[in-house]
Amino acid sequence: DVKVTQSSRYLVKRTGEKVFLECVQDMDHENMFWYRQDPGLGLRLIYFSYDVKMKEKGDIPEGYSVSREKKERFSLILESASTNQTSMYLCASRSDGVSALHFGNGTRLTVT
Amino acid sequence: DQQVKQNSPSLSVQEGRISILNCDYTNSMFDYFLWYKKYPAEGPTFLISISSIKDKNEDGRFTVFLNKSAKHLSLHIVPSQPGDSAVYFCAAESGGSNYKLTFGKGTLLTVNP
Repeated sequence: DVKVTQSSRYLVKRTGEKVFLECVQDMDHENMFWYRQDPGLGLRLIYFSYDVKMKEKGDIPEGYSVSREKKERFSLILESASTNQTSMYLCASRSDGVSALHFGNGTRLTVT
Repeated sequence: DQQVKQNSPSLSVQEGRISILNCDYTNSMFDYFLWYKKYPAEGPTFLISISSIKDKNEDGRFTVFLNKSAKHLSLHIVPSQPGDSAVYFCAAESGGSNYKLTFGKGTLLTVNP
């Protein structure tokens, strides 16, 4: 069965902290994504990666960076957390070709 | 600009009746469409998809209809069940997008017993 695992379900950080959100998939998927979900705004793409060490900006990359050193792992980094980054963060992966996107259970991040 | 629009933030139906969730898109390059369901505190789960070469795809109680000329798709759930109560997201992609999906803002479906 397909599995995307996000390391934390809930996280509370202080303004200015550096925050790492980790995501691992066990399906050997080429493509991995980070979205954030906010009420009334739906799912917005932050960054995605289509191969190891490759990354592309999504629709809202400001304030974020990513790292993909291994195929199965995709990390989202908040260099200096701010309160407007309080959100639900969702990692996802999919294979090449016509296929569905598989999501993790999300990390609810609160920045105080 | 919003390329995928779900204009109804919420929908309420009675158990056993049909639920119809709508989605409009503006990008004529979109050629693959998906519906996802999301419960609170969980990640979205894939429901059903449709390619632009089809106008209908059915999977059990779920049917997706695609009207390319109107740039409109809809998800029908028949019969609706209380467990279907969730937020439903419509998503779309074009072939040259590096498999990047564009999502709508979602519709909260409530199925009343």
